[in-house]
Parts: sequence; C-alpha cells; structure tokens
Amino acid sequence: DTEVTQTPKHLVMGMTNKKSLKCEQHMGHRAMYWYKQKAKKPPELMFVYSYEKLSINESVPSRFSPECPNSSLLNLHLHALQPEDSALYLCASAEVDSKNIQYFGAGTRLSVL
Amino acid sequence: GQQVMQIPQYQHVQEGEDFTTYCNSSTTLSNIQWYKQRPGGHPVFLIQLVKSGEVKKQKRLTFQFGEAKKNSSLHITATQTTDVGTYFCAGLSGGSYIPTFGRGTSLIVHP
Repeated sequence: DTEVTQTPKHLVMGMTNKKSLKCEQHMGHRAMYWYKQKAKKPPELMFVYSYEKLSINESVPSRFSPECPNSSLLNLHLHALQPEDSALYLCASAEVDSKNIQYFGAGTRLSVL
Repeated sequence: GQQVMQIPQYQHVQEGEDFTTYCNSSTTLSNIQWYKQRPGGHPVFLIQLVKSGEVKKQKRLTFQFGEAKKNSSLHITATQTTDVGTYFCAGLSGGSYIPTFGRGTSLIVHP
C-alpha cells in the first residue's frame, strides 16, 4: 500500500469557521509533512513531523495548527483563515532516511470566503 | 539557504518533439528527485539520482545528475499528450531530510 489518503477533497469555509484536514498513511513512514501549493507554484513546506514530534515549523501563522495523534495520522486544524489561504493543501509521508522520497496525498482544495 | 533553480517555466511542444527541463542547485546535493504533477493532480515521485554523473532511463524519459552533483536534467523523447503536466526537481543536501523543490516546468503538448 503506497497510498496517502487525505480528506476532505474539497473544503469551502468562511473566515470565522473552524475546520480540520486529515491525512492517513499505512506505509510505516515516520516522517509526515504538510505543504501548501498555490496555482502554478511548487509545494511550499509548512510543517514536518518526525517520529510523531513536530520537528519543523516554517514560520506558519498560528491560524494553522498541526497535530500528529499517531504514526499513521496527521491533522491540520484551521481557524480564522484569510482568503489568501485558499490553496491546495498536500500531505506527504516519507521514511526517515537519506532518500526521503515524498509520497503525496491527493490534497485538499481549500477555498476561504 | 539552499536554492534550486529550474528552467524553463513553461514549454510548449508539438506531439512527437523532444522536451528537456534543467535544474541547478546553489549547493552540492546528496541526491535529487523528480516528480510529475498532472493538471488537477498531486506530485508523484518519478525517480531519484544519487551518484555523480548518474544517468537513468524510464522508457522515453532520461534523467541525468551532473558530475558536480549540482545540476540535473530530465529529457523526454518523442512527447505524447500523456506527458502533459508539471515536472518538479527536488534536491536534498547535507544531512537534511527536507527536499527543496524547484519551481517546476509545465509541459504542454499540442496534438
């Protein structure tokens, strides 16, 4: 199983809403990532969890709150987002080794109204 | 910090023509990866190059890693409409396990 599953596929939310994005993998990978991707741009790293601990936060605003409940699950909690936060949010997982091949989920396409 | 430059940003070709995208890193890389993202899709891993001067082939795709391990290229021979998408290189250097993505090259194939 080389699949990373993300839900929901699409999300529309108002600026006062609270929502969560979910990501799951069963490849035994111990590194999990959140990326943000705008149209015509490369994935932009937001957070990295390694062995269920937050190891990298790329100066992401606090309205984005990551959570790693266990080695298979990764959540991204959203609160008080801005319209400019509208983007494709990608989850990825990888083995913690020198190769670090990223396995991406299909993403959640988020629109903030 | 490490930067990975990728050119061109866009490439239009007629079906059957060849295509090449190039990546250059500001630092020596331990390895480089290539990903393909179809329109409306997500990045999918294609290949990883590790050794200086390495060349790998996947059917019509040829990947090269430079001798100095600072540049790489992806060449597609006789493009097909199924090759449409954005091709990203991603480099890793030092002991980092975080790849740095190039900006991508969007390939448009005209039938």
